[in-house]
Amino acid sequence: GQQLNQSPQSMFIQEGEDVSMNCTSSSIFNTWLWYKQDPGEGPVLLIALYKAGELTSNGRLTAQFGITRKDSFLNISASIPSDVGIYFCAGHDYKLSFGAGTTVTVRA
Amino acid sequence: GAVVSQHPSRVICKSGTSVKIECRSLDFQATTMFWYRQFPKQSLMLMATSNEGSKATYEQGVEKDKFLINHASLTLSTLTVTSAHPEDSSFYICSAVSGAKGEAFFGQGTRLTVV
Repeated sequence: GQQLNQSPQSMFIQEGEDVSMNCTSSSIFNTWLWYKQDPGEGPVLLIALYKAGELTSNGRLTAQFGITRKDSFLNISASIPSDVGIYFCAGHDYKLSFGAGTTVTVRA
Repeated sequence: GAVVSQHPSRVICKSGTSVKIECRSLDFQATTMFWYRQFPKQSLMLMATSNEGSKATYEQGVEKDKFLINHASLTLSTLTVTSAHPEDSSFYICSAVSGAKGEAFFGQGTRLTVV
């Protein structure tokens, strides 16, 4: 699949802080997806975005589908310890392409 | 969301033996399933696309004779690692796409250790 540029690669955050990560691509995607993966488990879908400019929330998570269809961001508000994990963006055209992941570690 | 079940979650096998991993979509039909391999602290690497009733499509560099994929029904795909070697040890994950919007749901993953 196509390569997505996801940043940052990792982050340490204080509990209660807001977190932001993003993905960019040189190609257009029809769908952007954000996943979280806990150690030793498969990724779990957090948010799916289908239209350029779309802004969607899921609890403390908010994600947006960039207007150019080549980027997306994910925000986590008021982080808590269970937010620890690896977050992946994925873009879907005829198949799914993944970003390299953002490892989030929360300092209690 | 849709549920994808992968079995086994962990397997240890001896070098030279074969291991079969199953991926089932429990509450939807999946004409296409995907198999990924993941190394520690890295992203998911697509190995192959499994198509119901036809041959799988393998990504460049993935040996089709080593990683046999069978998609015999709309709810089951299997990955068989043949003549396993220690370098095949990895985390293998399957996914299936539900609906026309392209939402992919993942199995729990299989930790394969070849000794």
